[in-house]
Order: sequence, then C-alpha cells, then structure tokens
Amino acid sequence: KAGVTQTPRYLIKTRGQQVTLSCSPISGHRSVSWYQQTPGQGLQFLFEYFSETQRNKGNFPGRFSGRQFSNSRSEMNVSTLELGDSALYLCASSADPGLYEQYFGPGTRLTVT
Amino acid sequence: GQQVMQIPQYQHVQEGEDFTTYCNSSTTLSNIQWYKQRPGGHPVFLIQLVKSGEVKKQKRLTFQFGEAKKNSSLHITATQTTDVGTYFCAGRSVTGANNLFFGTGTRLTVIP
Repeated sequence: KAGVTQTPRYLIKTRGQQVTLSCSPISGHRSVSWYQQTPGQGLQFLFEYFSETQRNKGNFPGRFSGRQFSNSRSEMNVSTLELGDSALYLCASSADPGLYEQYFGPGTRLTVT
Repeated sequence: GQQVMQIPQYQHVQEGEDFTTYCNSSTTLSNIQWYKQRPGGHPVFLIQLVKSGEVKKQKRLTFQFGEAKKNSSLHITATQTTDVGTYFCAGRSVTGANNLFFGTGTRLTVIP
C-alpha cells in the first residue's frame, strides 16, 4: 500500500498570505489528523476528521481550518499567516479513530517570512 | 486541559548503555502509543498498550503501561546508533476530547 502523501513538501509564504496544504491518506483509511510540529512546542494537535466530519479540534485560532472530502483526502488552510506559523505540518491517517495507530506523512515544511 | 509530559527532554548515552524515557499524563488514558521520529523524518508507530500494567517487548525495547493508566515508560537495552531519534508517547484520555495527545518527546543521542 502506498503511504500517506502530503503536498507540497516545502512552502515559503509571506505574512498575511494564506496557504492550503493537502494530505492523501493510506487507501482504506477514513480518519485523518493534522499536527503542527515546532522545535519549541513539539507535536500539537490541530484537528481530526473521520468520514468528512471534524471529530476533534485542538487549541488553535480560527485562522486554522480544515476539511475532508468523500475520498478521505484532507486539506488544511491557514489564513492571514503569521511568522509563528512557520512549522512542519504533519498529516496522519488511521483505519479508524480510537484504538488504531496513526501513519504519518512526510510533512509540509512551511516557512513564513 | 490534558497534558502529557515526558522526561528527560534530552538523553545522551554511550553506545551499549541502556536508556529509559518516562511519560506522565494528567488524565487517565484509554491507551498509550509510542512513536519514534528519526532526525529529518516523521513519527513512526512503534507499539500500543491498552491494559493496565501491560508490558510489551520488541527485541531490545520494553514498554510498560502504569497500573493507573496515567504513565508509561520505554526502556532500550544496549543502545545502538540506529536508536537515535526522538521518542514520543501519545495517549487518548478517557474523558473529554479523545484525540491523540502527544508527549513532549525525548531526544536520544547515541555516542559510538
């Protein structure tokens, strides 16, 4: 099976712009979670989707949003970018939320200048 | 809110020495998972523990889940340079939001 794919892998944006990141889960996986990883804060949970519904949301401002499509692919959007949004954004898929392990994609490295 | 702390934050060991990282949650967990992230890589699932007091082994790695299901540990015997990376625990709370909360991680450096 192909792994989790994320596009783009690297992105450079300027403050105030918006960005959309994409994640394709492992075939058959219906749960997708997003995380922000920074050296100082570790892995911070953004949101979790299952069957196109947002099940959980982390403690991030409303500038961070996401969605999941009927084919389980997911996108996350960050509007009005700030310098502090520079991070590695990781997507993880799971067969089902709850007891199952998560498979992570390679991440999108976002740099905001 | 739920917090999952890990200690130590960093650990440098000589190759062949043992290594242990501890994970403590502020709330009771339904299960705990462990992940390893190599430098420049992404987290990779290692194992999941579900039962109170559970102990699992994978070759040189031993994982434990506390009796109260609020703490866990990972012990590596006779470390090798391939063990280098950051080890994260992650758990789901039995109350409130049940998303996976990741610990702060322990970065292991193995000196050959």
